[in-house]
Order: sequence, then C-alpha cells, then structure tokens
Amino acid sequence: DVKVTQSSRYLVKRTGEKVFLECVQDMDHENMFWYRQDPGLGLRLIYFSYDVKMKEKGDIPEGYSVSREKKERFSLILESASTNQTSMYLCASRPLFILNTEAFFGQGTRLTVV
Amino acid sequence: SQQGEEDPQALSIQEGENATMNCSYKTSINNLQWYRQNSGRGLVHLILIRSNEREKHSGRLRVTLDTSKKSSSLLITASRAADTASYFCATAPLYNQGGKLIFGQGTELSVKP
Repeated sequence: DVKVTQSSRYLVKRTGEKVFLECVQDMDHENMFWYRQDPGLGLRLIYFSYDVKMKEKGDIPEGYSVSREKKERFSLILESASTNQTSMYLCASRPLFILNTEAFFGQGTRLTVV
Repeated sequence: SQQGEEDPQALSIQEGENATMNCSYKTSINNLQWYRQNSGRGLVHLILIRSNEREKHSGRLRVTLDTSKKSSSLLITASRAADTASYFCATAPLYNQGGKLIFGQGTELSVKP
C-alpha cells in the first residue's frame, strides 16, 4: 500500500511562529505537492517538486517555502505564520515519468494560527 | 488560477438516485482525474480518463470527457448514503509541466437515506 504520511493531523501555532509541515512518502515518487484547502476554494497548489532540491511555485506560494533534501520527504515552511494561513494542508505524491497515474494523498494537517 | 471548475457546488439527493457532477477546465490536458474526500480527510483517487478517451466506467462510476468543450462529468449510479463526500476533478496539463495536478473547487454530495 502506498503511504503518504503527514507529521500532524492538527496543529495550533501562534502568529509570527515559524511552522514546519512534514510529509513523507514510501513509493519512491519523484513528484510531491503541497496544497491548501479552504471552503469554497477547493485545493490550491502552493508548491510542488519533481526532484530532490527542485521546487516549483504553484498558484499561491506567497508566505510559504519548501524543502526537498531527500526524495521521500517534502516539507512546507511557513516563515512567519499569520492567521490567514489557518487552513487544511494536504500533501500528495505521484510518479513523474508515468503520465497517466494518480496522486496519493496524506491525511491532511489542519493548521490553526492564533 | 484554478484549472477545474465543478458544478454544482453542492448536490443533495435521495439514496438510490443518480448523482451527476460536472467539471470544466481551461487548457489542454493529458488526463483528467476524479477524487473523493470524506469529511476532513485526505483525497482518494476514483478514476482517471485519458485525453483520447471519451467514456470510462468503474463499478457504479461513469466518467465522460469532451475535450472539444473542455469538460467532464462524473455519474454515480444508484447512490448510497456512504457516497456522501466531496468530489474533485483534477487535470494533468499537456506537456506534463513538472507533473503538477490542478484541482477544482469540488462538489459536495449529500445522499440522504
């Protein structure tokens, strides 16, 4: 079974804190993604990566950065958390070189910034 | 900007009825995928249709794709209360573009027993 594991299900942080959201996959997938999900807005792509140390901006990268030091791990960093970053964060992975294949998602991290 | 737009945003039906959800997208694609999300959880893949396919079935699911209209529909037949969830379409852009998948806003389906 493919597994994508996010480090926390629920997280509460204070405004201005640096926040790390970790994601690990065990299927040797090249692609990893971070999405943010808000009611009525669906999933919006924050950043994605197709190789170690490679990163690409998605639709809403402002206020976020990412790190991919190892193939299986993709971290989302909120440099200085703000209340408008309160949201559900979803990590996903999929193979890069197999075009017609699905993505596998983690269980999500519900982040509250107070 | 979001590639996919689902319609309707919310759908409420009785058990046994069919549920149809639509998805429109903007650019050329390699494939289109449908996912399901139970409340507060991660997404689970349901079905993938390639750009050269017009229709695909999987159990009670039927997906159609019209690339000329840049639209797709997901039909769930004989719905059950357990089908209550949010459903999302996602597109894989042509030329792969680093492998990204672009999701829409989703349709919230409620199936009443």
